[in-house]
Amino acid sequence: DGGITQSPKYLFRKEGQNVTLSCEQNLNHDAMYWYRQDPGQGLRLIYYSQIVNDFQKGDIAEGYSVSREKKESFPLTVTSAQKNPTAFYLCASSRTAPNYGYTFGSGTRLTVV
Amino acid sequence: AQSVTQPDIHITVSEGASLELRCNYSYGATPYLFWYVQSPGQGLQLLLKYFSGDTLVQGIKGFEAEFKRSQSSFNLRKPSVHWSDAAEYFCAVAPNTGTASKLTFGTGTRLQVTL
Repeated sequence: DGGITQSPKYLFRKEGQNVTLSCEQNLNHDAMYWYRQDPGQGLRLIYYSQIVNDFQKGDIAEGYSVSREKKESFPLTVTSAQKNPTAFYLCASSRTAPNYGYTFGSGTRLTVV
Repeated sequence: AQSVTQPDIHITVSEGASLELRCNYSYGATPYLFWYVQSPGQGLQLLLKYFSGDTLVQGIKGFEAEFKRSQSSFNLRKPSVHWSDAAEYFCAVAPNTGTASKLTFGTGTRLQVTL
């Protein structure tokens, strides 16, 4: 079955450490997205990519980085510059035309220890 | 830029009762509109979407939503709620450009169902 796989499901980060969250899709979708979810704040867009080797900043990109070397993969790195990284991170993908809405992964919960 | 308001943070209904979750959007034209549901610790699942045409759209799990242009609303309804409907519900809007574009989400409404 086609879908989006996020790994790991739980991730613990020490202060000053970079960590990378994986997102892989086999839906043949061109566009991929990373959202951060905090209680009471809904989903906020971190980065998105509509084509391989190209991506754009979302609303809260500071302290994060991404790459899009393959259509299927869109990893997110949470750098030490992100001062409050504890959150639930969701990856999504979509077609580019027309917009059918997103398919979401099951998320990664990142905790700073 | 588009925006979405979900005025109810938390709603409690009895099992078997009807449900309406409110969603208001701000956008210069008719946008694409979506409702998603999220169970605790899980990703979001698409319930239904509106692009054009009939303003009453049917979705999965017995949900429906009505687009009202005059009120800039896209409220989600269900005639009879089941205990398994307890979850968080998100309304989302995207520009009607015909291409993939960023979805803007509301802050969500948490639904509690009492037996």
